[in-house]
Amino acid sequence: KAGVTQTPRYLIKTRGQQVTLSCSPISGHRSVSWYQQTPGQGLQFLFEYFSETQRNKGNFPGRFSGRQFSNSRSEMNVSTLELGDSALYLCASRTVITGELFFGEGSRLTVL
Amino acid sequence: GQQVMQIPQYQHVQEGEDFTTYCNSSTTLSNIQWYKQRPGGHPVFLIQLVKSGEVKKQKRLTFQFGEAKKNSSLHITATQTTDVGTYFCAGPGNQFYFGTGTSLTVIP
Repeated sequence: KAGVTQTPRYLIKTRGQQVTLSCSPISGHRSVSWYQQTPGQGLQFLFEYFSETQRNKGNFPGRFSGRQFSNSRSEMNVSTLELGDSALYLCASRTVITGELFFGEGSRLTVL
Repeated sequence: GQQVMQIPQYQHVQEGEDFTTYCNSSTTLSNIQWYKQRPGGHPVFLIQLVKSGEVKKQKRLTFQFGEAKKNSSLHITATQTTDVGTYFCAGPGNQFYFGTGTSLTVIP
């Protein structure tokens, strides 16, 4: 079974730009969640989607948004990028029953 | 809001020494999960504990869930260089609350 796939793996943007990251969950997983990981803040929850509906949202500004498609693939968007948005963005999928998270390899965003 | 803290933040050990990381939640958890992230990698699920006082072993790793279901620990016996990485605990709620992580360095 293929794992969680995130694209792109690396990207460099400048302040003020926007970025879209993509996540394809494991087949059959309907829940997709996103996390921001920085050295100082650890793993911070962004949001979780289940069957195209946002279930929960973390404490991030409105510049961070996401969506989920009918095939469970998910995207997250960050608008008006700031230097502090530089981070590893991790996507994870799970079957709701077990709750175990399967992470993708992440998208490393650098904002200059 | 719910907080999950881990100590220590960093730990350096000589290969062969034991290692323990502790996880404490501000609220009672329905279950707790542990993940390992190798340097440059992504978190990988290790185990889930559900019952109060539960103890589970995976080879040299021993996981415990506290009686009050508010704390947990991970103990590694006789560390090896392959144990290097950051260990996170995580408690489910409306979202997954990840602990602050313990970074383990093993000195050969």
